[in-house]
Amino acid sequence: AQSVAQPEDQVNVAEGNPLTVKCTYSVSGNPYLFWYVQYPNRGLQFLLKYITGDNLVKGSYGFEAEFNKSQTSFHLKKPSALVSDSALYFCAVRRGEGGKLIFGQGTELSVKP
Amino acid sequence: DTGVSQNPRHKITKRGQNVTFRCDPISEHNRLYWYRQTLGQGPEFLTYFQNEAQLEKSRLLSDRFSAERPKGSFSTLEIQRTEQGDSAMYLCASSRSGPSPGTDTQYFGPGTRLTVL
Repeated sequence: AQSVAQPEDQVNVAEGNPLTVKCTYSVSGNPYLFWYVQYPNRGLQFLLKYITGDNLVKGSYGFEAEFNKSQTSFHLKKPSALVSDSALYFCAVRRGEGGKLIFGQGTELSVKP
Repeated sequence: DTGVSQNPRHKITKRGQNVTFRCDPISEHNRLYWYRQTLGQGPEFLTYFQNEAQLEKSRLLSDRFSAERPKGSFSTLEIQRTEQGDSAMYLCASSRSGPSPGTDTQYFGPGTRLTVL
């Protein structure tokens, strides 16, 4: 069965500092991995994805994520956090083309000035 | 692209009533998904269409839930005899299948928040 774990319910970062939001996954076969961001009372907004190739993927708003097959992880990173990055972040996995996404429980990122 | 749209944005109903939600996908997206999200949780998959064919249904989708996509464009999700446990945000997403792996990224609508009293 597919599953995603986001071990931190909340991450607190000072503005300008680097941020990391952790994600580990379990899926048979080659995973397709995604990060989405959700602002209050809004739908999910796509940030980036890993399908194949370079383990470091870059996405919207300066975010990037590193795929690590041996550790089955796909951590989200940003070199310098902004207050406007404060939101709920979801990691998701899919097995192959089409079909459902399996989401983690989410990590609330709080960036303080 | 105008994005995925969902109507209504909010619905308050009494227990036992039927409700219907509508999702309009991004133009030319042939895949459409429904998810349910409760407070403090990630979205949970409900069902998935490719064109008008319903290809997968979650066990979460009890017989009180039905979804349709009659012409392969918009979709409706109906909940019959609503229960308080149905209170949640119902999210719709769409994607387009393509020749390259990973082409079909799912883009989400704003959701319909259902409150069952």
